[in-house]
Amino acid sequence: EPEVTQTPSHQVTQMGQEVILRCVPISNHLYFYWYRQILGQKVEFLVSFYNNEISEKSEIFDDQFSVERPDGSNFTLKIRSTKLEDSAMYFCASSGTLSSSYEQYFGPGTRLTVT
Amino acid sequence: GENVEQHPSTLSVQEGDSAVIKCTYSDSASNYFPWYKQELGKRPQLIIDIRSNVGEKKDQRIAVTLNKTAKHFSLHITETQPEDSAVYFCAASNLAGNQFYFGTGTSLTVIP
Repeated sequence: EPEVTQTPSHQVTQMGQEVILRCVPISNHLYFYWYRQILGQKVEFLVSFYNNEISEKSEIFDDQFSVERPDGSNFTLKIRSTKLEDSAMYFCASSGTLSSSYEQYFGPGTRLTVT
Repeated sequence: GENVEQHPSTLSVQEGDSAVIKCTYSDSASNYFPWYKQELGKRPQLIIDIRSNVGEKKDQRIAVTLNKTAKHFSLHITETQPEDSAVYFCAASNLAGNQFYFGTGTSLTVIP
């Protein structure tokens, strides 16, 4: 069964550094998402991406964040000038085929630790 | 924007008993309501979903009910098993499916 994949599984970075989190969505999916989950808390929506542009973004997704689909398979989240409070699990998800638009499938996550 | 509330935050049941988790939402434009199961350190996994044109959906031991008028939906797990122990999240999405709002999660423990 196809799965969403994410790399790296764990990223440690120093405050102020830039990080890029990578995702490979399921190949025939049309919608891509990034979520954040701080340890022990709920999943928080960051951004959705469709047709090569941002479809929706939350108030968390400020100028520090950007997303890109640099080629036909990867979907990346860039965090500029990381802060301690950016430490969290970041999940990528994808959804959307012709027959089923809404069902989201999550990747295994990247645990980001900012020191 | 949408606000999804979920109760209870923790739930313990004896193996074989039923578990019910409830969510409410605020935006009447929401029309898709998935439920996710998240085991410790793992990704959320879709277990069941319901669209607003349906009042109830069942898949083996799991069922979801939706009351659009009252803006609430519930997850029902019957004949619970220890492997059902996990955190369960409800979510709501709009017609476009481009923004999902999650509840705060329910930690379910099934006691053998």
